[in-house]
Amino acid sequence: KQEVTQIPAALSVPEGENLVLNCSFTDSAIYNLQWFRQDPGKGLTSLLLIQSSQREQTSGRLNASLDKSSGRSTLYIAASQPGDSATYLCASQGGSEKLVFGKGTKLTVNP
Amino acid sequence: NAGVTQTPKFRVLKTGQSMTLLCAQDMNHEYMYWYRQDPGMGLRLIHYSVGEGTTAKGEVPDGYNVSRLKKQNFLLGLESAAPSQTSVYFCASSRGYQPQHFGDGTRLSIL
Repeated sequence: KQEVTQIPAALSVPEGENLVLNCSFTDSAIYNLQWFRQDPGKGLTSLLLIQSSQREQTSGRLNASLDKSSGRSTLYIAASQPGDSATYLCASQGGSEKLVFGKGTKLTVNP
Repeated sequence: NAGVTQTPKFRVLKTGQSMTLLCAQDMNHEYMYWYRQDPGMGLRLIHYSVGEGTTAKGEVPDGYNVSRLKKQNFLLGLESAAPSQTSVYFCASSRGYQPQHFGDGTRLSIL
């Protein structure tokens, strides 16, 4: 059974800092790895999807990497801003329609 | 373009009452999902559907039933509500293995 872990559970950084969020998964037989953002009281918003054949994906200040052999993915946020404050979740998709989510990292960017 | 709409947004029930949560999507997605999100437990899949007229069990299906009579709608039913079903419920939809689009959730309290 796939297990997805995100450490730390919470992270606080000053504005402007570059930061990395971590995601690990136990079963490397994944189809893709997805990163989401969740704002308080809201649903999840998709940020990036990395196919199993890819090493990384970029969108603006966000860069997500995938290392299947080590069971790890990272989300890099450059030049963080207070508006980046949210909970970030990663999820793995195996050979089915279902996603397995981590519990998320709550990011606070202080002005 | 509304995306994924969940009805109602809030609800308080008494133990033993029944109710139906409605999810509607206007993106013509084949796949639809129901999740619950609880503190410390993360996001867990209740039921999902890969097409009109089809449903399947997720990780935590007990106490819930679903129906997908129309492609754009996915209903989640609680036949006899229990306090353990107090949670935030999210509906999502996707086109195949593409990123899932989430609604803003239904906050359900069962007394």
